[in-house]
Amino acid sequence: KQEVTQIPAALSVPEGENLVLNCSFTDSAIYNLQWFRQDPGKGLTSLLLIQSSQREQTSGRLNASLDKSSGRSTLYIAASQPGDSATYLCGKTGTSYGKLTFGQGTILTVHP
Amino acid sequence: DTGVSQNPRHKITKRGQNVTFRCDPISEHNRLYWYRQTLGQGPEFLTYFQNEAQLEKSRLLSDRFSAERPKGSFSTLEIQRTEQGDSAMYLCATRPTADRIKIDYEQYFGPGTRLTVT
Repeated sequence: KQEVTQIPAALSVPEGENLVLNCSFTDSAIYNLQWFRQDPGKGLTSLLLIQSSQREQTSGRLNASLDKSSGRSTLYIAASQPGDSATYLCGKTGTSYGKLTFGQGTILTVHP
Repeated sequence: DTGVSQNPRHKITKRGQNVTFRCDPISEHNRLYWYRQTLGQGPEFLTYFQNEAQLEKSRLLSDRFSAERPKGSFSTLEIQRTEQGDSAMYLCATRPTADRIKIDYEQYFGPGTRLTVT
């Protein structure tokens, strides 16, 4: 059973649209939740980290929220751009030492 | 560039050969993680080091896999008698220990080593 699930698996939107990526987790024991971006064939770039005591974090056009009670996190991207095209991954840690459990990712395509 | 480096970036090997990958962490990051990522999936945890001590190994890490972190600096991941199912991206991530002054829980990932077993 997938512990971390991301919906949708793929998303294609026109440039300028606001969009929401979803991440849900079955294990309520959460220490941190981290959102990453991955370009094809590359490593992961950290976008935002939300500690379990926080409800949201913002960086530029990105906003991530965390609802522990429902086991969900969302990544909101405002005014999407073609350069935002990538795979977005969420990962949660259940302990302070930080082993990440990932979802399978959402492939985002923003077309001009 | 996160400051975490991995070598080689690509490795093609024949089934049955041994391969070794290296990860150089950000200076003073004493926590180091190895993950494996297959096509279309998120990374899966393999093993974790705090300084030179290997504190956790996933069940994914079969007897053919071994990881070391001598002196708590760089780390190596060796796969013996490679199989086609070992073909994947191997990712290294590092993190400092949180202290009371500055809490930094973020994991910083390297560019990965792409392994292809033919």
